[in-house]
Amino acid sequence: LAKTTQPISMDSYEGQEVNITCSHNNIATNDYITWYQQFPSQGPRFIIQGYKTKVTNEVASLFIPADRKSSTLSLPRVSLSDTAVYYCLVGDPPNQAGTALIFGKGTTLSVSS
Amino acid sequence: EAGVAQSPRYKIIEKRQSVAFWCNPISGHATLYWYQQILGQGPKLLIQFQNNGVVDDSQLPKDRFSAERLKGVDSTLKIQPAKLEDSAVYLCASSYGTPINPEAFFGQGTRLTVV
Repeated sequence: LAKTTQPISMDSYEGQEVNITCSHNNIATNDYITWYQQFPSQGPRFIIQGYKTKVTNEVASLFIPADRKSSTLSLPRVSLSDTAVYYCLVGDPPNQAGTALIFGKGTTLSVSS
Repeated sequence: EAGVAQSPRYKIIEKRQSVAFWCNPISGHATLYWYQQILGQGPKLLIQFQNNGVVDDSQLPKDRFSAERLKGVDSTLKIQPAKLEDSAVYLCASSYGTPINPEAFFGQGTRLTVV
């Protein structure tokens, strides 16, 4: 499994766009990139998944350059409720044996007013 | 759609005692995971089931931890005997594990305190 490196923490203010970058230099050809969000006293929650280029949903965007050695989770106009830990996961795509979900240390995002 | 159910929510035991956690995944989800999350750290995968078969249990301390998923639905995780370092939140998650539905859904976890 590819090792991931993320900043330990980030600070932002309400209304700003936040970009969290994850490095995964040893990503394999078949690996997908997935981001989860975790609030205190709750289990992680799926945010977005991608393989290449750009993926956007109602919550976030995921930018993946052509070499796929890094990815950036973009949160538009954050609010106080976006304060959480964000995890970048890189691993096998879903297959018959299920998806491997290996979490690293994550990035603690703190949003202030 | 009902979420992943876990019980109990909290448990306090003395070291060397035994404890069991229960998980009921989302209906139809073939893949079930158990994680251990120590305060301040990311979740650590203990075991992954696909239906009632084990896919990965490489990080499960098999001398004291055991897990089963009978009939490919509910699952139990047991610790016997518990150590102080087992104090953590134990999370259960489930997923379809398919390209169309890749996301895993997590329960709220069981917070275990070993004293």
